[in-house]
Amino acid sequence: GAVVSQHPSWVICKSGTSVKIECRSLDFQATTMFWYRQFPKQSLMLMATSNEGSKATYEQGVEKDKFLINHASLTLSTLTVTSAHPEDSSFYICSAEPRDKSYEQYFGPGTRLTVT
Amino acid sequence: AQSVTQLDSQVPVFEEAPVELRCNYSSSVSVYLFWYVQYPNQGLQLLLKYLSGSTLVKGINGFEAEFNKSQTSFHLRKPSVHISDTAEYFCAVSDPGSSNTGKLIFGQGTTLQVKP
Repeated sequence: GAVVSQHPSWVICKSGTSVKIECRSLDFQATTMFWYRQFPKQSLMLMATSNEGSKATYEQGVEKDKFLINHASLTLSTLTVTSAHPEDSSFYICSAEPRDKSYEQYFGPGTRLTVT
Repeated sequence: AQSVTQLDSQVPVFEEAPVELRCNYSSSVSVYLFWYVQYPNQGLQLLLKYLSGSTLVKGINGFEAEFNKSQTSFHLRKPSVHISDTAEYFCAVSDPGSSNTGKLIFGQGTTLQVKP
């Protein structure tokens, strides 16, 4: 149980285009989902926290107009990287917190984004 | 602001030897502590967590960690490692008193390399 999926697992896009990444909790409902960014050989940095039905809370230094987050249901959150540039190339990971289990997050396998 | 330091970026060890991965956090206030493992090209998997109670926490795959409040440490140990334990290990902390209790602050990660 407690599986989180991400789609796509990897994507290559051209500079200036937008890319949408989906995060789904497959067998539980998640009131809160988190989006992280991980650079090669580095740690995870929290980008934003999204709660179902409300606006996401972005961490300091993260452009909310560039990284659009939508948490439309208890099992789906999406991250859209708008007008992507090569510096946005990274590994994006989501996690989901079950509504009946605080302080436990289940992580997706990540999405590798390469912007050319 | 809370920070997490993993003192070793890489830990090479022979199979069946014991291992300790070190983690220190900055704040002396109440914290929740976590260890996650990341296998290549996969998401993070929770090994164990400390929320309260006994300072010795047992997790999956034979790992355990000890919470030491006076030293603000949460070191991860395993008495005998296997080749399959080769992975990246992340220590993380959250603040139970914050408005976003799910927000995790990660350490830089430690690469455990188990040699035959």
